[in-house]
Amino acid sequence: GAGVSQSPSNKVTEKGKDVELRCDPISGHTALYWYRQSLGQGLEFLIYFQGNSAPDKSGLPSDRFSAERTGGSVSTLTIQRTQQEDSAVYLCASQSGSWETQYFGPGTRLLVL
Amino acid sequence: AQRVTQPEKLLSVFKGAPVELKCNYSYSGSPELFWYVQYSRQRLQLLLRHISRESIKGFTADLNKGETSFHLKKPFAQEEDSAMYYCALRGTGNQFYFGTGTSLTVIP
Repeated sequence: GAGVSQSPSNKVTEKGKDVELRCDPISGHTALYWYRQSLGQGLEFLIYFQGNSAPDKSGLPSDRFSAERTGGSVSTLTIQRTQQEDSAVYLCASQSGSWETQYFGPGTRLLVL
Repeated sequence: AQRVTQPEKLLSVFKGAPVELKCNYSYSGSPELFWYVQYSRQRLQLLLRHISRESIKGFTADLNKGETSFHLKKPFAQEEDSAMYYCALRGTGNQFYFGTGTSLTVIP
Protein backbone atom coordinates (compact mmCIF):
# COMPACT_ATOMS: atom_id res chain seq x y z
CA GLY A 1 0.00 0.00 0.00
CA ALA A 2 0.92 3.66 -0.10
CA GLY A 3 3.45 4.88 2.37
CA VAL A 4 3.64 8.18 4.20
CA SER A 5 3.54 11.10 1.81
CA GLN A 6 4.57 14.71 2.36
CA SER A 7 4.04 17.85 0.37
CA PRO A 8 5.58 19.92 -0.95
CA SER A 9 8.83 18.06 -1.47
CA ASN A 10 10.70 21.36 -1.61
CA LYS A 11 9.74 24.82 -0.40
CA VAL A 12 11.65 28.05 -0.79
CA THR A 13 10.31 31.03 1.09
CA GLU A 14 11.39 34.44 2.20
CA LYS A 15 12.20 35.30 5.77
CA GLY A 16 9.09 36.42 7.60
CA LYS A 17 6.61 34.47 5.51
CA ASP A 18 4.41 31.67 6.86
CA VAL A 19 4.66 28.14 5.50
CA GLU A 20 2.49 25.05 5.76
CA LEU A 21 3.85 21.55 5.39
CA ARG A 22 1.54 18.60 4.89
CA CYS A 23 1.79 14.97 5.93
CA ASP A 24 -0.48 12.14 4.80
CA PRO A 25 0.13 9.16 7.07
CA ILE A 26 -0.46 5.54 6.23
CA SER A 27 -4.18 4.83 6.40
CA GLY A 28 -5.21 3.54 9.79
CA HIS A 29 -2.08 4.66 11.59
CA THR A 30 -3.05 6.29 14.85
CA ALA A 31 0.28 7.88 15.73
CA LEU A 32 1.98 10.68 13.79
CA TYR A 33 5.27 12.42 14.44
CA TRP A 34 7.01 15.48 13.07
CA TYR A 35 10.78 15.81 13.15
CA ARG A 36 13.26 18.38 11.93
CA GLN A 37 16.48 17.21 10.33
CA SER A 38 19.10 19.93 10.25
CA LEU A 39 22.57 19.57 8.82
CA GLY A 40 24.75 17.96 11.44
CA GLN A 41 21.98 17.92 14.03
CA GLY A 42 20.30 14.60 13.48
CA LEU A 43 16.56 14.28 13.91
CA GLU A 44 14.92 16.63 16.35
CA PHE A 45 11.52 15.63 17.71
CA LEU A 46 8.90 18.35 17.23
CA ILE A 47 5.43 17.01 17.99
CA TYR A 48 3.57 13.72 18.43
CA PHE A 49 -0.10 12.91 17.86
CA GLN A 50 -1.67 9.72 19.23
CA GLY A 51 -5.28 9.07 18.33
CA ASN A 52 -7.62 11.54 19.97
CA SER A 53 -5.26 12.37 22.81
CA ALA A 54 -3.81 15.84 23.26
CA PRO A 55 -0.64 16.10 21.20
CA ASP A 56 2.79 16.13 22.81
CA LYS A 57 4.15 19.51 21.74
CA SER A 58 7.20 19.45 23.95
CA GLY A 59 9.64 19.48 21.03
CA LEU A 60 8.34 22.56 19.26
CA PRO A 61 11.23 25.07 19.32
CA SER A 62 9.14 28.23 19.56
CA ASP A 63 5.57 29.50 19.44
CA ARG A 64 6.05 30.18 15.73
CA PHE A 65 5.66 26.44 15.21
CA SER A 66 2.30 24.72 15.43
CA ALA A 67 0.72 21.56 14.07
CA GLU A 68 -2.69 20.07 13.79
CA ARG A 69 -4.10 16.76 12.75
CA THR A 70 -7.54 16.78 11.27
CA GLY A 71 -9.83 13.78 11.60
CA GLY A 72 -7.02 11.67 12.95
CA SER A 73 -5.39 11.54 9.53
CA VAL A 74 -3.70 14.37 7.63
CA SER A 75 -1.41 16.66 9.59
CA THR A 76 -0.19 20.16 8.83
CA LEU A 77 2.90 21.74 10.36
CA THR A 78 2.79 25.52 10.23
CA ILE A 79 5.77 27.78 10.72
CA GLN A 80 4.92 31.44 11.12
CA ARG A 81 7.30 34.31 10.40
CA THR A 82 9.97 31.96 9.12
CA GLN A 83 13.60 32.56 10.01
CA GLN A 84 16.72 31.40 8.19
CA GLU A 85 17.47 28.96 11.00
CA ASP A 86 14.20 27.18 10.19
CA SER A 87 15.82 25.87 7.00
CA ALA A 88 15.90 22.09 7.32
CA VAL A 89 14.24 18.91 6.16
CA TYR A 90 10.97 18.30 7.95
CA LEU A 91 10.11 14.65 8.30
CA CYS A 92 6.81 13.06 9.16
CA ALA A 93 6.38 9.51 10.42
CA SER A 94 3.34 7.43 11.24
CA GLN A 95 2.86 4.40 13.41
CA SER A 96 0.01 1.91 13.69
CA GLY A 97 0.24 1.66 17.47
CA SER A 98 2.36 2.90 20.32
CA TRP A 99 4.78 -0.01 20.19
CA GLU A 100 4.97 -0.46 16.45
CA THR A 101 7.52 0.64 13.87
CA GLN A 102 7.57 4.21 12.62
CA TYR A 103 7.31 4.69 8.86
CA PHE A 104 8.86 7.86 7.52
CA GLY A 105 7.82 10.10 4.69
CA PRO A 106 10.26 11.50 2.14
CA GLY A 107 10.46 14.84 3.89
CA THR A 108 9.94 18.46 2.90
CA ARG A 109 13.11 20.43 2.32
CA LEU A 110 12.52 24.00 3.49
CA LEU A 111 14.83 26.82 2.54
CA VAL A 112 14.28 30.24 4.06
CA LEU A 113 16.07 33.01 2.21
CA ALA B 1 17.70 13.47 30.65
CA GLN B 2 16.99 11.24 27.70
CA ARG B 3 19.70 11.45 25.11
CA VAL B 4 21.39 9.47 22.35
CA THR B 5 25.00 10.07 21.39
CA GLN B 6 26.70 8.91 18.23
CA PRO B 7 30.30 10.04 18.56
CA GLU B 8 31.34 9.43 14.96
CA LYS B 9 29.94 11.67 12.24
CA LEU B 10 31.87 9.90 9.51
CA LEU B 11 33.17 6.36 9.31
CA SER B 12 35.00 4.72 6.43
CA VAL B 13 35.88 1.06 6.17
CA PHE B 14 37.08 -1.19 3.39
CA LYS B 15 34.80 -3.76 1.84
CA GLY B 16 35.03 -7.00 3.76
CA ALA B 17 36.29 -5.35 6.92
CA PRO B 18 34.32 -5.38 10.16
CA VAL B 19 32.33 -2.30 11.01
CA GLU B 20 31.05 -0.94 14.31
CA LEU B 21 28.91 2.16 14.64
CA LYS B 22 28.82 3.45 18.18
CA CYS B 23 25.75 4.55 20.09
CA ASN B 24 25.48 5.53 23.73
CA TYR B 25 22.30 6.52 25.49
CA SER B 26 21.10 8.19 28.63
CA TYR B 27 17.81 6.95 30.07
CA SER B 28 16.66 6.31 33.60
CA GLY B 29 14.30 3.43 32.92
CA SER B 30 14.51 0.28 30.84
CA PRO B 31 15.45 1.53 27.37
CA GLU B 32 14.09 0.50 24.03
CA LEU B 33 16.62 1.18 21.30
CA PHE B 34 16.57 1.18 17.54
CA TRP B 35 18.86 1.62 14.57
CA TYR B 36 17.49 3.43 11.53
CA VAL B 37 19.20 3.69 8.16
CA GLN B 38 18.88 6.15 5.31
CA TYR B 39 20.33 5.10 1.98
CA SER B 40 21.09 7.72 -0.64
CA ARG B 41 17.88 9.29 -1.96
CA GLN B 42 15.71 6.95 0.09
CA ARG B 43 13.55 7.37 3.16
CA LEU B 44 14.66 6.77 6.66
CA GLN B 45 13.76 3.21 7.59
CA LEU B 46 14.04 0.91 10.55
CA LEU B 47 17.04 -1.40 10.45
CA LEU B 48 16.61 -3.21 13.73
CA ARG B 49 15.29 -2.89 17.27
CA HIS B 50 16.91 -4.43 20.29
CA ILE B 51 13.82 -6.20 21.58
CA SER B 52 13.66 -8.27 18.40
CA ARG B 53 17.22 -9.55 18.89
CA GLU B 54 17.42 -10.12 15.15
CA SER B 55 20.06 -9.74 12.49
CA ILE B 56 19.12 -7.62 9.51
CA LYS B 57 21.36 -7.47 6.44
CA GLY B 58 24.08 -9.01 8.57
CA PHE B 59 23.90 -6.26 11.19
CA THR B 60 23.45 -6.94 14.87
CA ALA B 61 23.29 -4.72 17.92
CA ASP B 62 23.48 -5.71 21.54
CA LEU B 63 22.16 -3.62 24.37
CA ASN B 64 24.77 -3.19 27.09
CA LYS B 65 23.06 -1.62 30.07
CA GLY B 66 26.27 -1.43 32.07
CA GLU B 67 27.95 0.70 29.42
CA THR B 68 24.66 2.27 28.27
CA SER B 69 25.56 1.37 24.72
CA PHE B 70 23.85 -0.11 21.68
CA HIS B 71 26.59 -0.39 19.09
CA LEU B 72 25.77 -1.63 15.60
CA LYS B 73 28.09 -4.26 14.18
CA LYS B 74 28.65 -6.18 10.99
CA PRO B 75 31.53 -8.62 10.50
CA PHE B 76 32.04 -7.99 6.78
CA ALA B 77 31.04 -4.63 5.34
CA GLN B 78 29.55 -4.45 1.83
CA GLU B 79 29.46 -1.49 -0.54
CA GLU B 80 25.67 -1.40 -0.31
CA ASP B 81 25.97 -0.72 3.42
CA SER B 82 27.12 2.83 2.66
CA ALA B 83 24.43 5.02 4.20
CA MET B 84 23.53 7.28 7.09
CA TYR B 85 22.81 5.41 10.31
CA TYR B 86 20.83 6.79 13.23
CA CYS B 87 20.50 5.33 16.68
CA ALA B 88 17.23 6.09 18.45
CA LEU B 89 15.74 5.70 21.90
CA ARG B 90 12.06 5.45 22.72
CA GLY B 91 11.45 7.65 25.70
CA THR B 92 8.58 8.05 28.09
CA GLY B 93 5.36 8.98 26.37
CA ASN B 94 6.42 7.26 23.14
CA GLN B 95 8.71 10.07 22.02
CA PHE B 96 11.76 9.08 20.03
CA TYR B 97 15.19 10.58 20.56
CA PHE B 98 17.61 10.28 17.69
CA GLY B 99 21.35 10.65 17.60
CA THR B 100 23.09 12.95 15.14
CA GLY B 101 23.85 10.05 12.82
CA THR B 102 26.95 8.38 11.42
CA SER B 103 27.68 8.44 7.73
CA LEU B 104 29.21 5.11 6.76
CA THR B 105 31.23 4.76 3.60
CA VAL B 106 32.39 1.33 2.49
CA ILE B 107 35.40 1.62 0.22
CA PRO B 108 35.55 -0.95 -2.59
